[in-house]
Amino acid sequence: GAGVSQSPSNKVTEKGKDVELRCDPISGHTALYWYRQRLGQGLEFLIYFQGNSAPDKSGLPSDRFSAERTGESVSTLTIQRTQQEDSAVYLCASSLLAGGKWEQYFGPGTRLTVT
Amino acid sequence: RKEVEQDPGPFNVPEGATVAFNCTYSNSASQSFFWYRQDCRKEPKLLMSVYSSGNEDGRFTAQLNRASQYISLLIRDSKLSDSATYLCVVTMNTGNQFYFGTGTSLTVIP
Repeated sequence: GAGVSQSPSNKVTEKGKDVELRCDPISGHTALYWYRQRLGQGLEFLIYFQGNSAPDKSGLPSDRFSAERTGESVSTLTIQRTQQEDSAVYLCASSLLAGGKWEQYFGPGTRLTVT
Repeated sequence: RKEVEQDPGPFNVPEGATVAFNCTYSNSASQSFFWYRQDCRKEPKLLMSVYSSGNEDGRFTAQLNRASQYISLLIRDSKLSDSATYLCVVTMNTGNQFYFGTGTSLTVIP
């Protein structure tokens, strides 16, 4: 079946511009996550949505970052006034309960380059 | 202290070798455990879940030691295609908060 999809796959933007990244989770997955991965580094948790509960925003690095999710479907991550240090791959994942444990599946990511 | 710690490596092993990775986690309330694989410039992909009784999938064996709070991954008869970064992952609380290690890099050499 269809996996997690993300768009765009690549985004080049000028410093100071706003960008919006999109994630379409696997249908039926109630939980959705955003991560950031800088070149050669590990995954950095950003935000987590679970059903209709209030999102866990504890990983957002600054108030320039925000995310929304409509119900249990698409999510958008918005970065305002982009800075060069925002350059990274932004990964979205969704998860479901399988065999008594949650399993997480990733999209291909959006590679953001801020010039 | 990080929730999950891994030796970053790199591990460089010849084809056919057996290699093992360990990972430690800090929270004894951790619920579920996984190994993910991440190829260069690709997204992480679930390799296998880890169960207390240990589990095997072909050349891959995963073990969990709750008392010592570590998990391991053993790869037998390494193939060139095993070259990747292996991520240790644990979940907490309700089971759907995921914590990733920084990964262990493996290169299998011809």
